[in-house]
Amino acid sequence: GAVVSQHPSRVICKSGTSVKIECRSLDFQATTMFWYRQFPKQSLMLMATSNEGSKATYEQGVEKDKFLINHASLTLSTLTVTSAHPEDSSFYICSAYGGQGAQPQHFGDGTRLSIL
Amino acid sequence: QKEVEQDPGPLSVPEGAIVSLNCTYSNSAFQYFMWYRQYSRKGPELLMYTYSSGNKEDGRFTAQVDKSSKYISLFIRDSQPSDSATYLCAMSPYNNNDMRFGAGTRLTVKP
Repeated sequence: GAVVSQHPSRVICKSGTSVKIECRSLDFQATTMFWYRQFPKQSLMLMATSNEGSKATYEQGVEKDKFLINHASLTLSTLTVTSAHPEDSSFYICSAYGGQGAQPQHFGDGTRLSIL
Repeated sequence: QKEVEQDPGPLSVPEGAIVSLNCTYSNSAFQYFMWYRQYSRKGPELLMYTYSSGNKEDGRFTAQVDKSSKYISLFIRDSQPSDSATYLCAMSPYNNNDMRFGAGTRLTVKP
């Protein structure tokens, strides 16, 4: 149980392109979804927290207009990197949490984004 | 001082060894303690999940929490090459929602 699917797993695109990453909880309802960024050999850096039906809460230093998050349903959240530039190249990982009393966050397999 | 401290390693052990991974923390509000395993280019996979102090065992894995010392450990018995990965500790306060991660320890188990 507690499967989180993240798609696509790999994206290579030109600078200036907008990229959408999807995160789905397949077998549970996710009241909260999280988006992380991970640089090589470093730990996870929380970018934003999103609750279904409400605006995402962004961590300090994360540009909300750059990283658009939509959590339209209890099983789907999307992260759109708008007008991506090479410095946005990174490993993006989502996680989902089922709410009070549920198991801890379960993670997707990540999306490796490379901006040329 | 970081909220969660974890030695990034790398740690290299021979197959069959007992591995000890540790984290310390500073926030006494943490109640939930997790260990995740992350293979290269994959998302973290939940290994162990404990609430408050005590031990928890699952197969070859044992998690220990000592809240008085603000210290948690993960032991891996009879380590296998397939255990080679980065191990992340994570912890959160009351609602199991706001998690803080350690830096991750990179483990290599050599055949």
